[in-house]
Amino acid sequence: EAGVAQSPRYKIIEKRQSVAFWCNPISGHATLYWYQQILGQGPKLLIQFQNNGVVDDSQLPKDRFSAERLKGVDSTLKIQPAKLEDSAVYLCASSLNSQGNEQYFGPGTRLTVT
Amino acid sequence: GNSVTQMEGPVTLSEEAFLTINCTYTATGYPSLFWYVQYPGEGLQLLLKATKADDKGSNKGFEATYRKETTSFHLEKGSVQVSDSAVYFCALNLRTDKLIFGTGTRLQVFP
Repeated sequence: EAGVAQSPRYKIIEKRQSVAFWCNPISGHATLYWYQQILGQGPKLLIQFQNNGVVDDSQLPKDRFSAERLKGVDSTLKIQPAKLEDSAVYLCASSLNSQGNEQYFGPGTRLTVT
Repeated sequence: GNSVTQMEGPVTLSEEAFLTINCTYTATGYPSLFWYVQYPGEGLQLLLKATKADDKGSNKGFEATYRKETTSFHLEKGSVQVSDSAVYFCALNLRTDKLIFGTGTRLQVFP
């Protein structure tokens, strides 16, 4: 079974530029998560989707971050404009549903904002 | 609020040494507790979990017991290997899918 796929693996941009990350969850997984992991910290949930609907986006900085999962499968996370403090690893995870099932994580996208 | 505190690393051990990584939590309610591991260049993987007080989670020789009286979930292994070198994260959730992670503890095992 293929795992959670993410691309790109690495991205370097200048501040005020925009960037987008892509995630393909495990086939059949209804729930998709985006986490931000700043160096030296644990992952922090940004947004959770159940199929194509948002369940929790309370920690998403909505003035610059946006995410969508239009067909309930793939998802994109966008930052526009980026700030220096957005430098982090962005992790995507998926689970079968929102009933406490195990979350499976992708390898992450490491973003550096200069 | 809800939070997880784990010991700072790195933890440096020789092969076959005994490992303990401390984890304590603060939660409003009765959380489920988890240990995740992140090997170099890979994504987070669930190592073990416990869903109620006195439960013991175990996997790959690692163990952790849910201690409600001390609000702890310490990770232990009797004999570590070089291949156990990784970053270990303690986490909780409160009957939702929202995981709250600690800051991670890097383990380095030398032959």
